[in-house]
Amino acid sequence: DAGVTQSPTHLIKTRGQQVTLRCSPKSGHDTVSWYQQALGQGPQFIFQYYEEEERQRGNFPDRFSGHQFPNYSSELNVNALLLGDSALYLCASSFLGDRVWKGNQPQHFGDGTRLSIL
Amino acid sequence: SQQGEEDPQALSIQEGENATMNCSYKTSINNLQWYRQNSGRGLVHLILIRSNEREKHSGRLRVTLDTSKKSSSLLITASRAADTASYFCATEGETSGSRLTFGEGTQLTVNP
Repeated sequence: DAGVTQSPTHLIKTRGQQVTLRCSPKSGHDTVSWYQQALGQGPQFIFQYYEEEERQRGNFPDRFSGHQFPNYSSELNVNALLLGDSALYLCASSFLGDRVWKGNQPQHFGDGTRLSIL
Repeated sequence: SQQGEEDPQALSIQEGENATMNCSYKTSINNLQWYRQNSGRGLVHLILIRSNEREKHSGRLRVTLDTSKKSSSLLITASRAADTASYFCATEGETSGSRLTFGEGTQLTVNP
């Protein structure tokens, strides 16, 4: 049973560039959430995708955008990269099913993509 | 902004000792979850406690939840060097769907 997979594992970019990170959810899951974790801090929620639409969004600028594909995999895009975007980007998946979150399920996380901005 | 606060920020103990980490939060929750993160890796789910539960056990882990004080604690008994990691509490709010709000974490070091 494949868990959550993320690619690439590491990425180095320069300021002003654009980046795309990828996530495949755990088998059977239909919802993907993205989190940003700066060094020494807890993860912060960026946004969540279900049925190919953004369902929830955290306090992140619109330089951060995403997409979900029919196979439930997802991409996180960041434009006009800033030094402060350097972080570990984590993807988490869960099962929503009939659009109503019933709660009390653990999230399953991938190992993340380490993004460094020079 | 982070909802949760965890203390201590760092904890260093000897193998065999118990480790206790505390977490506080601010809003009403459906549940509180604890995750472990080995250096630079992803988060591993440890235990979930619902808002109507007061205590839960899983192997060497014991979690308590006090919703009146908006606080939780994680106890790891008989610690091992392999328990060395960062531990995060995360809350699922009553109106936030599956979105998790994390604390700043506790860095636990277990010395052999």
